[in-house]
Amino acid sequence: DQQVKQNSPSLSVQEGRISILNCDYTNSMFDYFLWYKKYPAEGPTFLISISSIKDKNEDGRFTVFLNKSAKHLSLHIVPSQPGDSAVYFCAASSTFTGNQFYFGTGTSLTVIP
Amino acid sequence: TAGITQAPTSQILAAGRSMTLRCTQDMRHNAMYWYRQDLGLGLRLIHYSNTAGTTGKGEVPDGYSVSRANTDDFPLTLASAVPSQTSVYFCASSKSRREEGYTFGSGTRLTVV
Repeated sequence: DQQVKQNSPSLSVQEGRISILNCDYTNSMFDYFLWYKKYPAEGPTFLISISSIKDKNEDGRFTVFLNKSAKHLSLHIVPSQPGDSAVYFCAASSTFTGNQFYFGTGTSLTVIP
Repeated sequence: TAGITQAPTSQILAAGRSMTLRCTQDMRHNAMYWYRQDLGLGLRLIHYSNTAGTTGKGEVPDGYSVSRANTDDFPLTLASAVPSQTSVYFCASSKSRREEGYTFGSGTRLTVV
């Protein structure tokens, strides 16, 4: 049973435009969320995080929004660059799962020059 | 460069054979994890270890075993491989605080034929 879902397997965006990647979760106990970026033949790398006490966290071109009532988070990339082309995973955990994170299925982002 | 080393990078294994995937970290992280990545299923936790000497089962532990004799090493063993274990395997580690997320290795691509 997938507790973290990314319903869009792929997304294509023009360079310079905004990329919006979505993630939904089912476990209301989740209170900490991460986004990872993965290039082919490499391991995922940490991108940005958000705690449930916040509804927004920004880091440069990357912003994560959390809507707890909808159990939904999104990653915005503005402006999108060709180097952003990668697979993006969201991940969630609760204090009950400790350091264990549940990952979504991933969204493959292609930024078209 | 500090991080996680996984070996081998890739392997073709006959069904019924055993194999150990190696994982070593030099960051003195307490917790270590094994994930498998499959198309459409994302990253799923196989086994984890919160500290040396302890291990636990993740979402998909059947057919796999782990040991954590020391802080740095966390090998994953397939006792009798089956084709459904064809996957990309990622080892990861983290400090005690989940806010710091995971550091992933580059992965091992395993094909069971």
